[in-house]
Amino acid sequence: GAVVSQHPSWVICKSGTSVKIECRSLDFQATTMFWYRQFPKQSLMLMATSNEGSKATYEQGVEKDKFLINHASLTLSTLTVTSAHPEDSSFYICSARATGREFYEQYFGPGTRLTVT
Amino acid sequence: QKEVEQDPGPLSVPEGAIVSLNCTYSNSAFQYFMWYRQYSRKGPELLMYTYSSGNKEDGRFTAQVDKSSKYISLFIRDSQPSDSATYLCAMSAWGAGSYQLTFGKGTKLSVIP
Repeated sequence: GAVVSQHPSWVICKSGTSVKIECRSLDFQATTMFWYRQFPKQSLMLMATSNEGSKATYEQGVEKDKFLINHASLTLSTLTVTSAHPEDSSFYICSARATGREFYEQYFGPGTRLTVT
Repeated sequence: QKEVEQDPGPLSVPEGAIVSLNCTYSNSAFQYFMWYRQYSRKGPELLMYTYSSGNKEDGRFTAQVDKSSKYISLFIRDSQPSDSATYLCAMSAWGAGSYQLTFGKGTKLSVIP
């Protein structure tokens, strides 16, 4: 149980284009989903927290107009990287907190590696 | 100084050894301390959590928190090749609706048969 999937697992796009990454909780409902970014040899950094049906809360320094997050249902959240640039190349991981569970009980997806050329 | 410091390793030990993984932190507001295990090409999975100071044991794993020293540890007894993974510590102050976890960089562990 408690499986989180991400799609795609790896994507290459050209500079200036937009990329959408999906995060799904497969066997539980997730009131809250989190989006993290991890650069090589660096720690996971929280980008934003999204609650189903409401606007995402972005961490300081994360451009909300560049990283669009939509948490349209209790099992799906999407992250759209708009007008991607090479410096956006990174590993993006989502996590989901099941409804009613503690905040630290986050189940992570396998991640999406984004390469912007 | 980063909020959470963790030696990235790599750390290689023989099968059966006791492994000690550690993190230090600077934010005295942290109250929740977690350890995650991450296998290659997989997302992190929660191993253990501890609230405030103290020890917690779960099978071969023991988590220790020393808030006075701002130091946390994860011990793995009788290590197995299947324990080979990257171990990340994470911490949170929580409160006021904030769910933010602050992660260490992770320590890559290899258990050699």
